[in-house]
Amino acid sequence: SQQGEEDPQALSIQEGENATMNCSYKTSINNLQWYRQNSGRGLVHLILIRSNEREKHSGRLRVTLDTSKKSSSLLITASRAADTASYFCATASDNYGQNFVFGPGTRLSVLP
Amino acid sequence: KAGVTQTPRYLIKTRGQQVTLSCSPISGHRSVSWYQQTPGQGLQFLFEYFSETQRNKGNFPGRFSGRQFSNSRSEMNVSTLELGDSALYLCASSVNSGTSGPYNEQFFGPGTRLTVL
Repeated sequence: SQQGEEDPQALSIQEGENATMNCSYKTSINNLQWYRQNSGRGLVHLILIRSNEREKHSGRLRVTLDTSKKSSSLLITASRAADTASYFCATASDNYGQNFVFGPGTRLSVLP
Repeated sequence: KAGVTQTPRYLIKTRGQQVTLSCSPISGHRSVSWYQQTPGQGLQFLFEYFSETQRNKGNFPGRFSGRQFSNSRSEMNVSTLELGDSALYLCASSVNSGTSGPYNEQFFGPGTRLTVL
């Protein structure tokens, strides 16, 4: 089973609203990363948050990490139509080796 | 810096054939990872190469293989293609230090869309 699970699977909002996506994972992690993918294209890295960090900001993006709940959230403020994309969380485990896995993603639609 | 490039961008093959995909990482990046993306299974990790050595491997059959050259360029090969191999194959490179796996920010290429008929 996949390490990261995003919630919701799909989200539709109006331009200017905030969008929140959640990610849950199962095992201990070294870091958690959020990526964006526009339809059928490559992924773009958004933010990396390490296991000893609780919150990070980048422009209109805010990521939180709660290792006790094994969850993370991505907040996009003042959304724009250009934010329409799929958003994935990816976790890297503490162990050297296999566990760098992506969740199934949240499909965000921002309506003008 | 130029981004990660992948060739070809689109490929159509028939069952039983084999295919080779190419990835050129960002200059200076020594780690290259490959992923398969399908609607049903999502993004799945195939393998990671660092300094010409396969360092990590996902749960894919032996038909999927790869290699990395001294200039960090990487190729992946799929032999005896099956219909289920139809997917978007993504390559990502990252700056890596020490012995960690793909734990740093990864830069993705645009992908190769493989269709198996």
